[in-house]
Amino acid sequence: DVKVTQSSRYLVKRTGEKVFLECVQDMDHENMFWYRQDPGLGLRLIYFSYDVKMKEKGDIPEGYSVSREKKERFSLILESASTNQTSMYLCASSFGTGYQPQHFGDGTRLSIL
Amino acid sequence: AQSVTQPDIHITVSEGASLELRCNYSYGATPYLFWYVQSPGQGLQLLLKYFSGDTLVQGIKGFEAEFKRSQSSFNLRKPSVHWSDAAEYFCAVGGSDSWGKLQFGAGTQVVVTP
Repeated sequence: DVKVTQSSRYLVKRTGEKVFLECVQDMDHENMFWYRQDPGLGLRLIYFSYDVKMKEKGDIPEGYSVSREKKERFSLILESASTNQTSMYLCASSFGTGYQPQHFGDGTRLSIL
Repeated sequence: AQSVTQPDIHITVSEGASLELRCNYSYGATPYLFWYVQSPGQGLQLLLKYFSGDTLVQGIKGFEAEFKRSQSSFNLRKPSVHWSDAAEYFCAVGGSDSWGKLQFGAGTQVVVTP
C-alpha cells in the first residue's frame, strides 16, 4: 500500500526554535506538498515541490522554508518558530502528471509555546 | 483569484438517509474541482475530481458530484449514508494556470446518527 509518513504525530517546541518537519513517501512520486490545516480555514498550501531540489511557494510561505534533497523526502523548516505557527501540518504527494495532491500523511500537530 | 465556499459548517444526517454537501467556487477560467474526506484522526483521501467532460462525476465510497457551471457549484452527494461516512469533507478548486495550487474550502463536518 502507498505510504506518506510524517516523522512526528505530535510536536511541542518553544518560540524562536528552528523546527524541522519531515515527510517521506515510498511511491517514487515527483510532486510533494506541505499544507497547514486550521479550524475554519481548511487547508492552505505552504510550499510544493515538483522535483528534487525544486520548490514553489504556495499561499502562505512566510516564516517557512523547505528542502528536497532526495526524491522521497520533503522537509518543512520553521526558521524561528512563533506561536501563530501552532497548527496541524499535512504532507502530501502525487505522481508526475498528477495535478492534485493524491496521498496524504496523517499530519503533525505542532504546538509552539 | 480562486476561492471556495462551503456554506454548511456542520451537517447531521441519519444513517441510511441521503446526503448533499454544497460547494461554490470562484475561478476565472475552467476550474478543476475536487472533493476530499478526512476521517477522524486520519489523513485526507481524494473522493473524486472533475477536470472536463461529463459533469456528473463518480467517486469512491459511493459518492458522486455534479459540476454546474451556471451556478459555480460542485455539490457532493451520496444516496444512503453509512456510519463510517462521519467525517470532515473538503471541496477544492484549481486550474491549468495554477498547477498544484489548490484552494480548499473550510470544510463541512458530517455527523451520522443511528
